[in-house]
Parts: sequence; C-alpha cells; structure tokens
Amino acid sequence: DTAVSQTPKYLVTQMGNDKSIKCEQNLGHDTMYWYKQDSKKFLKIMFSYNNKELIINETVPNRFSPKSPDKAHLNLHINSLELGDSAVYFCASSPGPPGEQYFGPGTRLTVT
Amino acid sequence: SQQGEEDPQALSIQEGENATMNCSYKTSINNLQWYRQNSGRGLVHLILIRSNEREKHSGRLRVTLDTSKKSSSLLITASRAADTASYFCATGGAGSYQLTFGKGTKLSVIP
Repeated sequence: DTAVSQTPKYLVTQMGNDKSIKCEQNLGHDTMYWYKQDSKKFLKIMFSYNNKELIINETVPNRFSPKSPDKAHLNLHINSLELGDSAVYFCASSPGPPGEQYFGPGTRLTVT
Repeated sequence: SQQGEEDPQALSIQEGENATMNCSYKTSINNLQWYRQNSGRGLVHLILIRSNEREKHSGRLRVTLDTSKKSSSLLITASRAADTASYFCATGGAGSYQLTFGKGTKLSVIP
C-alpha cells in the first residue's frame, strides 16, 4: 500500500497554463505539506494543513493555491505557470508536530 | 531562511567504509531529523533525535547531537552501494509543524 501518493508523477506544460497536482495519504495523519525542491536539491516548505486548516503559508506567489477537501487529501493548484515554477513538488504528511514526515514520490513539473 | 547546513556537499567512499555527514543549524530546536533521498524518489525518514538526547542508533546508523555547538552528525557504518543517495538533516522547533531542511550531502558508495 502506498502511504503518500501524488499524481501525476510528471507534468510538462507551457507557460501561462493552469495545472493541479493531487496528493493523498492513507496513514491517518492530521497534517499534510507541500514542498518545492529546486534543481540544486534545496527543499522549501510551501504550505501545510492540519485537519483541513491552513497552518503554514510561506512566501510563495499567490498563483499557488492549496486545497484540502479532507484530512487525507491536499491538492496544489498553480495558475499562470512560469518557467521558474519548474521543479519537483513533494507532498508529505505527519502525525503531528514536530515528528517525522512521510513523503510522496514527487511530481516533476516542467514548464516550457 | 535555511536552518541546516550539511557538510560535505558530496562524499565518495568505497563499499565497506564508514561515511560521516555533518549538519549545523542556527536556532534552538526541539528535534533534528535525518532523511535519505534516492535519485528520483521522495525523502525517507531515517532517524529523529530530540534536543535532550546526545546519541541515537538505528541499525548501521549513528546520530549525534551537540546542542551547544548546534551541530549533528550522521555516521553510516559498513556502507553499501545501496546507501548511495542524498542525505538531508531537518530541524523542528517545539510545537512547530514546520521542518527546515538543509541542502543535503550527496553520498556515493563505490562497489
């Protein structure tokens, strides 16, 4: 059973398009996260939800909007994609602060 | 701002040797964690050490924490080719949901 899953695994799209990445966890965790990993492997937190409430909202362009329909799902919608959005996006979940996090396999986004 | 800094950035060793990676951080922490990332995969949690602990073991892994120096080390003993990966430290604050990751150490274990 996959603990944290993301779809799609690869996403290639053109500048200006709108796209979504979906994340699901079956671990029963209350907290979910979105991270961005750049080409230098630096991992930066973007958002976090706890029980469907936004608790971390780092400085990211407002073109990025997370949505948590329930505790097990956290989606990331990106409007008006730009070249600089190209990166690997990871979803993660954790049972609570400040414990270990469980990561999904990542979504490699390429904006052309 | 970035909290952890791993050192070295890259490390290449022969199979069977020990690998040591270091992590330094800037502010007070509740715990420090180490993660492994294989190429093209997500991060996998390896070990968590709390601020009141000095050393922790898990299989071939040994982690130390020196809060006075704001530093931690990860030792992998008797390395294997399968240990080839990037290793990240991450710090967590008390009551904080947020982990702050370092830039990682890329370990290559040559068979």
